[in-house]
Amino acid sequence: GAVVSQHPSWVICKSGTSVKIECRSLDFQATTMFWYRQFPKQSLMLMATSNEGSKATYEQGVEKDKFLINHASLTLSTLTVTSAHPEDSSFYICSARPANEQYFGPGTRLTVT
Amino acid sequence: EDQVTQSPEALRLQEGESSSLNCSYTVSGLRGLFWYRQDPGKGPEFLFTLYSAGEEKEKERLKATLTKKESFLHITAPKPEDSATYLCAVQAWETSGSRLTFGEGTQLTVNP
Repeated sequence: GAVVSQHPSWVICKSGTSVKIECRSLDFQATTMFWYRQFPKQSLMLMATSNEGSKATYEQGVEKDKFLINHASLTLSTLTVTSAHPEDSSFYICSARPANEQYFGPGTRLTVT
Repeated sequence: EDQVTQSPEALRLQEGESSSLNCSYTVSGLRGLFWYRQDPGKGPEFLFTLYSAGEEKEKERLKATLTKKESFLHITAPKPEDSATYLCAVQAWETSGSRLTFGEGTQLTVNP
């Protein structure tokens, strides 16, 4: 199967700071990548769709000025959580699809203190 | 609005005790139904894609089936290493960007 990586795997930051999470497709090119958030004991919630060379599409209720997405190349998308607060603490997962199936990265655990 | 409901929420089995997980869905036009396995603290691992009613797919001890209203994930003679949360997701033809709608998952525990 296709391989998607994320970096970092976990990060702790102080309230008010910004954090950048990288998502890479290692063995295929992805014009579209997806960013999800998952709270404990809950399922995945789509935050936004990242499109190479154009603006991301955000789901209803997701603040685009807080969660900045940049899809700089066909193998890299980044999610920046700006002015992070404790309520932003969560498990962030990206995915990409070489064909119709979406393959997920290993996730990034963000803790905001 | 697309909806996915998985049952049961949690399932405990003894090693070797076969069972099935259910995924009921409502979608305007099904493009694909996906099964994933998720271990704690990790991203979902792709298992199967089903496209049309009557389709079946198998992988080791897992078999996924699809009808017009639901999908089943059958686990035959499970082992402790099959313990995980199993997620079902649907993709609709009318949905832009190939987005997936996920169910809440079934947490499976297989005891030795």
